[in-house]
Amino acid sequence: EDQVTQSPEALRLQEGESSSLNCSYTVSGLRGLFWYRQDPGKGPEFLFTLYSAGEEKEKERLKATLTKKESFLHITAPKPEDSATYLCAVRPGGGADGLTFGKGTHLIIQP
Amino acid sequence: SQTIHQWPATLVQPVGSPLSLECTVEGTSNPNLYWYRQAAGRGLQLLFYSVGIGQISSEVPQNLSASRPQDRQFILSSKKLLLSDSGFYLCAWSPTGGAEQYFGPGTRLTVT
Repeated sequence: EDQVTQSPEALRLQEGESSSLNCSYTVSGLRGLFWYRQDPGKGPEFLFTLYSAGEEKEKERLKATLTKKESFLHITAPKPEDSATYLCAVRPGGGADGLTFGKGTHLIIQP
Repeated sequence: SQTIHQWPATLVQPVGSPLSLECTVEGTSNPNLYWYRQAAGRGLQLLFYSVGIGQISSEVPQNLSASRPQDRQFILSSKKLLLSDSGFYLCAWSPTGGAEQYFGPGTRLTVT
C-alpha cells in the first residue's frame, strides 16, 4: 500500500530560523512527488514537483529535494507569512491518477 | 489563466438529507478532475476522479457519488448524508497528461 509520512506534525520557529520538513514515502513506481502549501480554510496551493532522486527545486525561501525514500522541504530564513501547513503527496505508478497525501506539517513562524 | 470554482463555500446539513456540491474549471479544455475529502486529523483522501465526460472512477466505497455532465463541471452527490460525511471537500484539476493538480477553494460540510 502506498504511504506518505510527514514529520514533524508541528514545528514552531523564530523568524529567520532555518529548518527542514521531512516527507518519507513508500510507493510502487513513483510518478512524481509534490509539495503543497495550505492556509487555514483554503485549498492547497501547488509549490513543487520532483520526479527523480537528486532533483532539487527552489522558490523564494523554499527548496525541495528528493531521494529514493524521502523528500525534504528546506525553509531558509523564514518569515511569519511562511506560516501554513505544508503537504507532501506522491503519484503512484499504475493507472490511477490520484495523489496520496501525508497529514502535513503545521509550521508556525514567530516574529 | 485557469480558474477553479467550488460552491457552496460552507454547508450545514442534517443527517439523511441529500447533498450536491459543484465544481467548475475555466480556461482549459478536457481537464482531469478530482474530488478529495480532508477530515480532521487525516490527510486528503481521493474520492473520485474523471478523465472525461461521463467517465468516473471511484477510489473509496461510500454513500457518495460523482458525475461529470460537462467537460469542465464535476458534481459530488449523496442521497442520504451520514455524520461521517462531515469534512472539507476539495475539487482539483490537472491538464490531460499533466502531473500537477490544482485545487479549488473547498467546501466545508458539517452534517448534524
